[in-house]
Amino acid sequence: AQSVAQPEDQVNVAEGNPLTVKCTYSVSGNPYLFWYVQYPNRGLQFLLKYITGDNLVKGSYGFEAEFNKSQTSFHLKKPSALVSDSALYFCAVRDRRAGNNRKLIWGLGTSLAVNP
Amino acid sequence: EPEVTQTPSHQVTQMGQEVILRCVPISNHLYFYWYRQILGQKVEFLVSFYNNEISEKSEIFDDQFSVERPDGSNFTLKIRSTKLEDSAMYFCASSDGREVTDTQYFGPGTRLTVL
Repeated sequence: AQSVAQPEDQVNVAEGNPLTVKCTYSVSGNPYLFWYVQYPNRGLQFLLKYITGDNLVKGSYGFEAEFNKSQTSFHLKKPSALVSDSALYFCAVRDRRAGNNRKLIWGLGTSLAVNP
Repeated sequence: EPEVTQTPSHQVTQMGQEVILRCVPISNHLYFYWYRQILGQKVEFLVSFYNNEISEKSEIFDDQFSVERPDGSNFTLKIRSTKLEDSAMYFCASSDGREVTDTQYFGPGTRLTVL
């Protein structure tokens, strides 16, 4: 079955330190990969996506993510964390073979806390 | 910046009652979606809608659920006879449909509580 795993319920980092939020997936082929962020009382906000090409994808607010096909991972990174980055982060995938069907399969989410 | 809006933000209903959740997608978008998230669980896909018909639906989306685009701006999810297990956060999303790799943009969600 297709699935997405975010192995850490919570990640704590100090402001100014690099952060990594992990995501692995189990989807046949090379899926499309997405990261979304959710701030309190807000919707799911798109951060970045991997479609094809360069394995390192850059997105909004200084975030980037690295696609690793052999490890079936798509970890979210930022070189220097801000307190305002504290939020809930979701990894999602879409089966490339699904054609026009655009269902996203989601991870459980990782709560990021950046401490001043 | 255009955004997806949803109303109400919180809906409380009695079991067995009908509810309609409303969404206004981004104006030039062609694909519309509903997802839900039961507390403590993953976000789950319910249905996608394109060209005035359902293009894909999940096993969750049974006969109790229906979607409609009643006019040029609204997109609704109706649950005919709510059950306790329908309590969840319901997210609407839309995408422009220009490419198969388009991005889905989400609304803030409607929290449905079934008593």
